[in-house]
Amino acid sequence: SQKIEQNSEALNIQEGKTATLTCNYTNYSPAYLQWYRQDPGRGPVFLLLIRENEKEKRKERLKVTFDTTLKQSLFHITASQPADSATYLCALRLNSGYSTLTFGKGTMLLVSP
Amino acid sequence: GAGVSQSPSNKVTEKGKDVELRCDPISGHTALYWYRQSLGQGLEFLIYFQGNSAPDKSGLPSDRFSAERTGGSVSTLTIQRTQQEDSAVYLCASSLEAGLSTDTQYFGPGTRLTVL
Repeated sequence: SQKIEQNSEALNIQEGKTATLTCNYTNYSPAYLQWYRQDPGRGPVFLLLIRENEKEKRKERLKVTFDTTLKQSLFHITASQPADSATYLCALRLNSGYSTLTFGKGTMLLVSP
Repeated sequence: GAGVSQSPSNKVTEKGKDVELRCDPISGHTALYWYRQSLGQGLEFLIYFQGNSAPDKSGLPSDRFSAERTGGSVSTLTIQRTQQEDSAVYLCASSLEAGLSTDTQYFGPGTRLTVL
């Protein structure tokens, strides 16, 4: 069956360090992958999109990599801050014929001062 | 500009009652999506609309669930004869057009449904 896996355990890091979150998928050949942030009691907010032919994408302190051979995306937050604490979701759009996104369960990030 | 809005924000109902959840997408967005999220779970896709049509209803858990969209704008998700397992946060999202390569979805704040 098709799966998207994100670490279910929360990631705890110290302020100023780089946080790295992982998204693995099986049995997909996604057209692109997106990362969203979700705060408690709120809907997810779009952060970054990376296409299948792109290796890396950056936006301010955020960096996403996409390895279609490993079927993995890594999401990095450099110089992390307590305000970065949230749950981060990856989402895939499958190739042709699919118009919807399939979301992972998300990983909670906790940044301590 | 205004984002996606949902109402009510909270709904408590008794088992067996029907509920209607409403979503107002961003103006100009032709695609609209419904998800539900249970405690500690990921987003579960329910249904999406492109305009007023629902090309994919595959995520609706049972025939107690239905949704409609009129005028290419507001959508309502109806759950008939609610069960306790229907308790969850129901999220609505909209995007410019389903299937676009940059199909970024903008989410509303959700409706928290509690079935007693």
